[in-house]
Amino acid sequence: GAVVSQHPSRVICKSGTSVKIECRSLDFQATTMFWYRQFPKQSLMLMATSNEGSKATYEQGVEKDKFLINHASLTLSTLTVTSAHPEDSSFYICSARKRGGTFHEQYFGPGTRLTVT
Amino acid sequence: LAKTTQPISMDSYEGQEVNITCSHNNIATNDYITWYQQFPSQGPRFIIQGYKTKVTNEVASLFIPADRKSSTLSLPRVSLSDTAVYYCLVGQTGANNLFFGTGTRLTVIP
Repeated sequence: GAVVSQHPSRVICKSGTSVKIECRSLDFQATTMFWYRQFPKQSLMLMATSNEGSKATYEQGVEKDKFLINHASLTLSTLTVTSAHPEDSSFYICSARKRGGTFHEQYFGPGTRLTVT
Repeated sequence: LAKTTQPISMDSYEGQEVNITCSHNNIATNDYITWYQQFPSQGPRFIIQGYKTKVTNEVASLFIPADRKSSTLSLPRVSLSDTAVYYCLVGQTGANNLFFGTGTRLTVIP
């Protein structure tokens, strides 16, 4: 159990367009989902925390108007990169925490590689 | 959250035991120590978690000394498929988010 999926796994878009990435918990309910960004050879950087039915909490330096997060249900969160630019090219990873889960019980998706041309 | 320090990289031959140490001098009383593994172009995977002394599961062992200011992840008899980045994280249960440090890039050599 505890499987998290992401869609798409890979996307290429043109500069100025928007891209939506979906994160789904397939076999559990996730009250909280997290979005990370990872540049090549670097560590994961937390972008935002998303609670079902409420607004996301963004980390310092992350533009909330550029990275729109919606957590409409207990199994789905979406990240929309608006007006994407080449510097937004990165590996985006989501994770989900089970209802009642503890600190370590975060389950990560396989990631989405975004390339902006 | 307590800051962690790990070696940037390690090399090991197949079949050897690998020990990766993480320093967390500012660990708080309620903090747990958790290790994740990440393969290239994949999300991290939980390996093991502990609070004190020793924890063992089917994948690894975690050794934590009495002062808890460091911890050691032990991988027995590594294989080529263990080549990955290993992250040590420290934080409280119930905390809302995970902050990843630089991690240790383990390369297993044939």
